[in-house]
Amino acid sequence: LAKTTQPISMDSYEGQEVNITCSHNNIATNDYITWYQQFPSQGPRFIIQGYKTKVTNEVASLFIPADRKSSTLSLPRVSLSDTAVYYCLVGDWGDTGRRALTFGSGTRLQVQP
Amino acid sequence: GAVVSQHPSRVICKSGTSVKIECRSLDFQATTMFWYRQFPKQSLMLMATSNEGSKATYEQGVEKDKFLINHASLTLSTLTVTSAHPEDSSFYICSATGQRERAGELFFGEGSRLTVL
Repeated sequence: LAKTTQPISMDSYEGQEVNITCSHNNIATNDYITWYQQFPSQGPRFIIQGYKTKVTNEVASLFIPADRKSSTLSLPRVSLSDTAVYYCLVGDWGDTGRRALTFGSGTRLQVQP
Repeated sequence: GAVVSQHPSRVICKSGTSVKIECRSLDFQATTMFWYRQFPKQSLMLMATSNEGSKATYEQGVEKDKFLINHASLTLSTLTVTSAHPEDSSFYICSATGQRERAGELFFGEGSRLTVL
């Protein structure tokens, strides 16, 4: 599984857009990029997943450049409830089986009022 | 999305006792379940992978006789911490997969916080 590098922590204010970038220089051709959110004492929650270009859902956008060596999770207009740890994961979960996700250190986002 | 439930959410036990944690997939058949461990302010560490009806595969450094994993059905996996000691105190999280709609998407339980006195 490709190793990922994220900032350890980020601070923001309510209403701002937050962009968290993840580096994955050795991403493989079949790898997908997945982001999870974790609140204290809870299991991680799936946010978004992509392979290339841009993916958007009701909570976030994921930007992936052409070389796929990095990705950026964009959270529009954050609120206090977005304070959490965000994990970027990269891997291939194809037909050959369901492999576990390997979690990196994650980015601790603190949203201030 | 799919629901994975863990029980108990919190457990306190005395040193030397065994504790069982259940992980259930409530609305789908989980062919594979994973058990993670998380210490305060640290990331999740994979302990083992279990496939229904077969023996679990443990990660390096995880004692299989200490952490017994059973995946007897497509909706239930259990983790038993045997002869627990204070250093086993941690947050244990399970996840499950079985759906094919979205590659790489795992559904996680709420976690179980174990405190060994």
